Amino acid sequence: AQSVTQLDSQVPVFEEAPVELRCNYSSSVSVYLFWYVQYPNQGLQLLLKYLSGSTLVKGINGFEAEFNKSQTSFHLRKPSVHISDTAEYFCAVTKTGGGNKLTFGTGTQLKVEL
Amino acid sequence: DTGVSQNPRHKITKRGQNVTFRCDPISEHNRLYWYRQTLGQGPEFLTYFQNEAQLEKSRLLSDRFSAERPKGSFSTLEIQRTEQGDSAMYLCASSPSGQGVGPQHFGDGTRLSIL
Repeated sequence: AQSVTQLDSQVPVFEEAPVELRCNYSSSVSVYLFWYVQYPNQGLQLLLKYLSGSTLVKGINGFEAEFNKSQTSFHLRKPSVHISDTAEYFCAVTKTGGGNKLTFGTGTQLKVEL
Repeated sequence: DTGVSQNPRHKITKRGQNVTFRCDPISEHNRLYWYRQTLGQGPEFLTYFQNEAQLEKSRLLSDRFSAERPKGSFSTLEIQRTEQGDSAMYLCASSPSGQGVGPQHFGDGTRLSIL
C-alpha cells in the first residue's frame, strides 16, 4: 500500500515570498505523484503530475515540484506567491498500472498574507 | 469539456434516511471514481468503475453503501440508513484510460450533513 505524509498542516507566507510545501511518500512499488489544489467548497484541481522522465515538473499557476526518489519526496514550490494562492494543497500518489486510485495526504493550508 | 458534474451540491437529512448522489463524468472518460473527504482530511478512495464494471471497492464502503454506473455513463452513490459518521464531502472524479495515466478530474462534490 502507498501512503503520503504532509507534515505541515498550515503554512503562512507573505505575498511575493517564495514557498515550499513538503510531501513525502511511502511505497514498495513504482508510483506516480500528483499535487492538487482545493479552494473552499470546491473540488480538487490538478496542479501538476510526475509520471516519468525529468524529475522537475512544472505545473499551472507558476508551481513546480521536484521528484526525489532517494528521499521519497515530491515537494511543491513557487518562487513568488499571490493572495489568490490561498487554498488547501494535497499531495497524492498512485501505483503505476493499477486503476489509478489516488492516496492523498492530509493537506497543507497555504495562507498568503499581505 | 464540460467538467465533472455532481448533484446535489448539498444534502441535509435526518439520521436513518437514505440518500443518493449523482455524478456525470467528462463524456469521453471511461474511468469513474468516488472519494469521501471529512473535515481537515484528504479525500479517501471509496470505489471505481471502468465503464460499467465496478473494479475495486475500499473497506470504507460498508454494506450500507452502494454505487452503480449503468451503461458506463453517469454514476450514483447511495447510502442507506445514514449515520452521523457519514457526514462528509463526497467527491467524484473521472479519467481516461488506455494511454498511460490520465489525471483525475474532480467534480465540486456533494456535501452531506446528517442531523
